[in-house]
Amino acid sequence: KAGVTQTPRYLIKTRGQQVTLSCSPISGHRSVSWYQQTPGQGLQFLFEYFSETQRNKGNFPGRFSGRQFSNSRSEMNVSTLELGDSALYLCASSSFSGDGTDTQYFGPGTRLTVL
Amino acid sequence: GQNIDQPTEMTATEGAIVQINCTYQTSGFNGLFWYQQHAGEAPTFLSYNVLDGLEEKGRFSSFLSRSKGYSYLLLKELQMKDSASYLCAVRKESEIYNQGGKLIFGQGTELSVKP
Repeated sequence: KAGVTQTPRYLIKTRGQQVTLSCSPISGHRSVSWYQQTPGQGLQFLFEYFSETQRNKGNFPGRFSGRQFSNSRSEMNVSTLELGDSALYLCASSSFSGDGTDTQYFGPGTRLTVL
Repeated sequence: GQNIDQPTEMTATEGAIVQINCTYQTSGFNGLFWYQQHAGEAPTFLSYNVLDGLEEKGRFSSFLSRSKGYSYLLLKELQMKDSASYLCAVRKESEIYNQGGKLIFGQGTELSVKP
């Protein structure tokens, strides 16, 4: 079974631009979560989607948004990029087992550099 | 609020045993995960605890005490390839839904295995 895939793997943007990152979960997984990883802050939760609905949201400004499609694929968007948005953006998928044992499996990430 | 603490760095010798501790304070505890992350790669799932006690998986074991807000990851028969960052993550249950929930990560423990 293929793992979580993320595209693109690397991205360079300039301040003020916007960016869209894509995530395809493991086949059969219906929940997708997004995280930002930086050397200073570590891994921080952005949002979680299930059945096209946002179930949880982290403490990030409104410039960060996301959505999930009917095939469980997800996208996240960052508008008006700032230098501090440079980070590794990780997507994780989990099966919705309903028994509380949902494990999140991470994709390889998208390395975003804002110049 | 939530707080997760783990040592920043640890060093151990090949073939030895090392224990990485994690303490946490959070409301809505819904499980604790350990992930391994090699430099430049995505986190990979190691173990999951939701009930008190020890979970063993080959050379890796993880322990949880919910009353003490404490967990540890035990690595036996250390190998050079075990040099990596080890992330402790607590799942905080969704405030709206009765399943899923976001992961709150510690800063990670950088383990160096020496010959």
